[in-house]
Amino acid sequence: DVKVTQSSRYLVKRTGEKVFLECVQDMDHENMFWYRQDPGLGLRLIYFSYDVKMKEKGDIPEGYSVSREKKERFSLILESASTNQTSMYLCASSPPRGVFTEAFFGQGTRLTVV
Amino acid sequence: AQSVTQLGSHVSVSEGALVLLRCNYSSSVPPYLFWYVQYPNQGLQLLLKYTSAATLVKGINGFEAEFKKSETSFHLTKPSAHMSDAAEYFCAVTGPPNYGGATNKLIFGTGTLLAVQP
Repeated sequence: DVKVTQSSRYLVKRTGEKVFLECVQDMDHENMFWYRQDPGLGLRLIYFSYDVKMKEKGDIPEGYSVSREKKERFSLILESASTNQTSMYLCASSPPRGVFTEAFFGQGTRLTVV
Repeated sequence: AQSVTQLGSHVSVSEGALVLLRCNYSSSVPPYLFWYVQYPNQGLQLLLKYTSAATLVKGINGFEAEFKKSETSFHLTKPSAHMSDAAEYFCAVTGPPNYGGATNKLIFGTGTLLAVQP
């Protein structure tokens, strides 16, 4: 079974802190994604990566950055956390476009910024 | 560009009744379409997918969906609701592999929360 693991289920951080959300997949997938989920807004794509060190902005990249130094790991970075970044964050991975079948999701990290 | 519209943010049905969750898509390339389910405090799980083969797609837990190009729709149905179906359901779209202009992005709708009444 494909496994996508997010390092924390729940996080509480203070305004202004630099926050790292980590995601690891074990299926050698090329693509990895970070989504933010808010009630009534569904899942909104923050960033995605289609290869090591490659990234593209999604629909809401402001206030976020990402890092993909190794194929299996994709990190989301909140440079200076703000209360409006309180949300559920979901990581996903998928095979490359040539063999795309589905995306596999982690359990999510619920981040609260106080 | 691709997008998905889910009509009805909340749907309530009685146990044993038909479930119908609506999804309409917009895509400049032939779409690949997906339905995912999310149970409380969990990640998303794939229910079913359309990847340009049969237009009627069967998924897990008795769900199915029909791709209708003329209506740009991919509605999710289940003949008889069960209490365990109560969850949030998301429709998503991406482009097909190796199609010019298509990307690897998976774009989601805003979700439909399904409640099942006893």
